[in-house]
Amino acid sequence: GAGVSQTPSNKVTEKGKYVELRCDPISGHTALYWYRQSLGQGPEFLIYFQGTGAADDSGLPNDRFFAVRPEGSVSTLKIQRTERGDSAVYLCASSRSGNEQFFGPGTRLTVL
Amino acid sequence: RKEVEQDPGPFNVPEGATVAFNCTYSNSASQSFFWYRQDCRKEPKLLMSVYSSGNEDGRFTAQLNRASQYISLLIRDSKLSDSATYLCVVNRGSQGNLIFGKGTKLSVKP
Repeated sequence: GAGVSQTPSNKVTEKGKYVELRCDPISGHTALYWYRQSLGQGPEFLIYFQGTGAADDSGLPNDRFFAVRPEGSVSTLKIQRTERGDSAVYLCASSRSGNEQFFGPGTRLTVL
Repeated sequence: RKEVEQDPGPFNVPEGATVAFNCTYSNSASQSFFWYRQDCRKEPKLLMSVYSSGNEDGRFTAQLNRASQYISLLIRDSKLSDSATYLCVVNRGSQGNLIFGKGTKLSVKP
């Protein structure tokens, strides 16, 4: 079946702009996670949804980052006033059991 | 101190070699443990879960030592296709987020 999909695959933006990154989880997966991976590092947790609500947003680095999942399926990660340090690959994962997480291909964000 | 630490490598080994990766974690409340594999410019994929009793999947063996807070992965008879970055991963709760190490890069040469 279809895996986790993320759009766009690549996003180039200028410092100070607003960006939205989209994640379509595997159908039926109630848990959805956002991670960020910088070069040479492992993925770093940002936020976790159980259904429509954010169960844990402790990984969001500051209030420029926000995520929603209004209908408990698709999620959007929103970054305001982007900075060069936000450049990374943003990974989304979903899970049914809460144990094995299946990752999407990621969105490569470059802030110039 | 990072919550999950592992040697970044790279480990350069010939085909057929046996290679071992080690990982330590700092949070004794951690409940679940995994090894993920990540190919260059691809997403991480679950390789195997790690259980206290140790577990084996073909050429791969994973072990967990809760007392020492130490996780290992052994790969026997390395193949060229094993070349990748291996991520040590810890989950504090049954539904919570994953904590990743930086990854250990493995390169298997002919």
